[in-house]
Amino acid sequence: NAGVMQNPRHLVRRRGQEARLRCSPMKGHSHVYWYRQLPEEGLKFMVYLQKENIIDESGMPKERFSAEFPKEGPSILRIQQVVRGDSAAYFCASSPTSVQTDTQYFGPGTRLTVL
Amino acid sequence: RKEVEQDPGPFNVPEGATVAFNCTYSNSASQSFFWYRQDCRKEPKLLMSVYSSGNEDGRFTAQLNRASQYISLLIRDSKLSDSATYLCVVNMFGSGNTGKLIFGQGTTLQVKP
Repeated sequence: NAGVMQNPRHLVRRRGQEARLRCSPMKGHSHVYWYRQLPEEGLKFMVYLQKENIIDESGMPKERFSAEFPKEGPSILRIQQVVRGDSAAYFCASSPTSVQTDTQYFGPGTRLTVL
Repeated sequence: RKEVEQDPGPFNVPEGATVAFNCTYSNSASQSFFWYRQDCRKEPKLLMSVYSSGNEDGRFTAQLNRASQYISLLIRDSKLSDSATYLCVVNMFGSGNTGKLIFGQGTTLQVKP
């Protein structure tokens, strides 16, 4: 059973460009969470999605950031008009259900560098 | 005040030592508690869940005190491979919360030969 897959692993963008980060959850998992880890900081929740639905986006910046989890294909975190402050590691996690005791399994992350 | 607070360390200990990490959380609605391990900015990996009754997994023992909103992790007989950052994590599922994990900043452990 393959783990959570994220790609690309490393992404370099210039200020003003768009960044698209992809996450494929573990097989059988329908719940996806995105977290961001800024340099020298802890992980911070961004958004929680189920197939075709955003359940909780309370951690997502109001502008330039969006997320989706379509019926088919991976979850996408999209950052428009990137700025240097967006440079961070973005981790995706999946779980089979939203039950509080379910473990969230993390992908290897995408390291975004904005030049 | 941060929702989950940890001493960032670093803790530098010799092999074979016993080391304890502490963590406090601010929201009494927190429902589930975990210790994750993160190596060199790689993805966090679940080390163990934490229960009020306390639980042990080999050299690792975790304790939860709900009244004090305090979580601990004890590592006995430290190995070089234990060197990592240990993340205290709470889940506030329920009461309008959706199961998102709240992470502490992490405590760095360096085990020396």
